[in-house]
Amino acid sequence: KQEVTQIPAALSVPEGENLVLNCSFTDSAIYNLQWFRQDPGKGLTSLLLIQSSQREQTSGRLNASLDKSSGRSTLYIAASQPGDSATYLCAVNYYNYGQNFVFGPGTRLSVLP
Amino acid sequence: DTAVSQTPKYLVTQMGNDKSIKCEQNLGHDTMYWYKQDSKKFLKIMFSYNNKELIINETVPNRFSPKSPDKAHLNLHINSLELGDSAVYFCASTLSGRVYEQYFGPGTRLTVT
Repeated sequence: KQEVTQIPAALSVPEGENLVLNCSFTDSAIYNLQWFRQDPGKGLTSLLLIQSSQREQTSGRLNASLDKSSGRSTLYIAASQPGDSATYLCAVNYYNYGQNFVFGPGTRLSVLP
Repeated sequence: DTAVSQTPKYLVTQMGNDKSIKCEQNLGHDTMYWYKQDSKKFLKIMFSYNNKELIINETVPNRFSPKSPDKAHLNLHINSLELGDSAVYFCASTLSGRVYEQYFGPGTRLTVT
């Protein structure tokens, strides 16, 4: 069964810290992996998408890496800010799942001022 | 200039009723999705439509039926609503190809009483 897991489930850090969120997937045959942010009561905002041929993607203070062989992706957030507080979701597009994504349960991040 | 829009944002109804949620995207995408996010915040795919054809239908009760009048719209009809249908429903879209980057709507919070 193709699954996606994320650890930790929740994380609380003081402002200014660098942090890493982890995403694991069960099959290395993927098209791509997408990281999202979800604020309470809101929809999902796409942060970064990494294609299967790529090792990492960067956007501002965010850096996402992909290691297909180990079935892992990490989202690195530099110099965290209170505005980064949200739930971060990882979604994987597996080969034999067509155009559909499997989502992880998310990591709830709180950045304390 | 909203990319993916849903209506209504909130829907409160009684058990046994029939309701619809509408979704529209103006991104020129050819694939649209419906997801359900339950009380535990887990996001699961319900349907995806590509060029007006249903690609995959997860184990969703047949009380749920997607209807796509054209590539820009994918509506969700729900018959005989049950308490367990209470959740947030998200519409998303993407452009088919090797890179399926998804864009999400703001969500519809359905409460069945």
